[in-house]
This record gives sequence, structure tokens and C-alpha cells, in this order.
Amino acid sequence: NAGVTQTPKFRVLKTGQSMTLLCAQDMNHEYMYWYRQDPGMGLRLIHYSVGEGTTAKGEVPDGYNVSRLKKQNFLLGLESAAPSQTSVYFCASSPYPRTENKETQYFGPGTRLLVL
Amino acid sequence: KNQVEQSPQSLIILEGKNCTLQCNYTVSPFSNLRWYKQDTGRGPVSLTIMTFSENTKSNGRYTATLDADTKQSSLHITASQLSDSASYICVVTTGNQFYFGTGTSLTVIP
Repeated sequence: NAGVTQTPKFRVLKTGQSMTLLCAQDMNHEYMYWYRQDPGMGLRLIHYSVGEGTTAKGEVPDGYNVSRLKKQNFLLGLESAAPSQTSVYFCASSPYPRTENKETQYFGPGTRLLVL
Repeated sequence: KNQVEQSPQSLIILEGKNCTLQCNYTVSPFSNLRWYKQDTGRGPVSLTIMTFSENTKSNGRYTATLDADTKQSSLHITASQLSDSASYICVVTTGNQFYFGTGTSLTVIP
């Protein structure tokens, strides 16, 4: 099993450009998450999904959109990139909802995004 | 305000030595506390998950403790190895809300 994979690994964008980050998991997990990680700050939840066809906003959703058309894929879109979106983006998946104590999130390797 | 604070921010130790990382939190209501290890350039990997009733949990050379009364947790690493060099992140949850600490960066030197 590949686990959680993310594409691309690294990307440079100009302000105003758009792009889509792809997250794929082969563990048949229902729950998927997008986080961003910035220096000096803890991971922050952008959007999440509790199943195919469903998405919900997290802590910092502004400027991002997501889609979960297939159970194994969770896409994160930046419609008009801004320098404030320079960050490392992590995708995670889990077989259980966040409310369960046995829930464990499996993280991807991350995508480094630089917006100039 | 719900917060998770970790100390020290960074730590350098000699290979073979033990170390303890601290996590203090003000998150309420408490559901569980997790410790993750994050290698440079990689995603976090879960080490332990502790609920209110658990005050000690081990995963190999890693032992986490939890004092729910004082809202403190520690992660003790025994006989450190070079591969322990990483960032260690404490996460406290209310159930649906996750609160991430900023991590302790550990460097193990030969």
C-alpha cells in the first residue's frame, strides 16, 4: 500500500494563479483532511471530508475550495493564489471520525507551495 | 482560549541519552491527547493517543504520560537514536476540534 500520496511535491505560483493539489489514499478511508503548516504555528485544518461527495470547512477555509468526487481522492484548489498561502500543505486520512478516541490520522508527505 | 504549548522549542542531546518533552494545554472539554513524530520533509506519524483515564502509554522507546488534573503531558524518549531526530507535536482534542502544538525540534547527535 502506498498509503497517502500527494501531488505535486513542490510548486511555485505567481500571485493570482490557480492550482489544484491532489491527495490520494489507498486505505479505503472515509475521512480525509487538508492542513497547512506554517513556521511557528501548529497544523491548521483547511477543509475536511467525512465521505465521498461531502466536504466541510475547517479552521482556515478562506481562499481554498475542495472536492471529494471519489472516495480515494481529495482535491484542494486555490482559485487565486496569494503570498499568504505560501505554506506546506498536508493531506491526511482516517478510517474513523475525529470524535472517536481510536481515530488515527495518516498523513501524506506534504506539498510545498511558494506564492510569489 | 484553547491552547497547546510545548517546551522546549528545540533540544539537542547525545545519542544514547534520555530526554523528556513537555506539553501543557488549556483545551476544554478534553477528549484525548496525541503525540506525533514529524521527520524533516515528511508528514506527522502518530506515536500515542491517550484518553482521560490513561496516565501512561508506551510505544517502544517512547513513553507518554498524562496528568489531566494539571493539564500536562510529557513524552519521554529512552536511549535516543539518531533516527529520533525530528519534530514532536502534541495534539489535544475536544472530540471534533483538534488543537496542535507548534512542536519540539529534537536533534540527536553522535
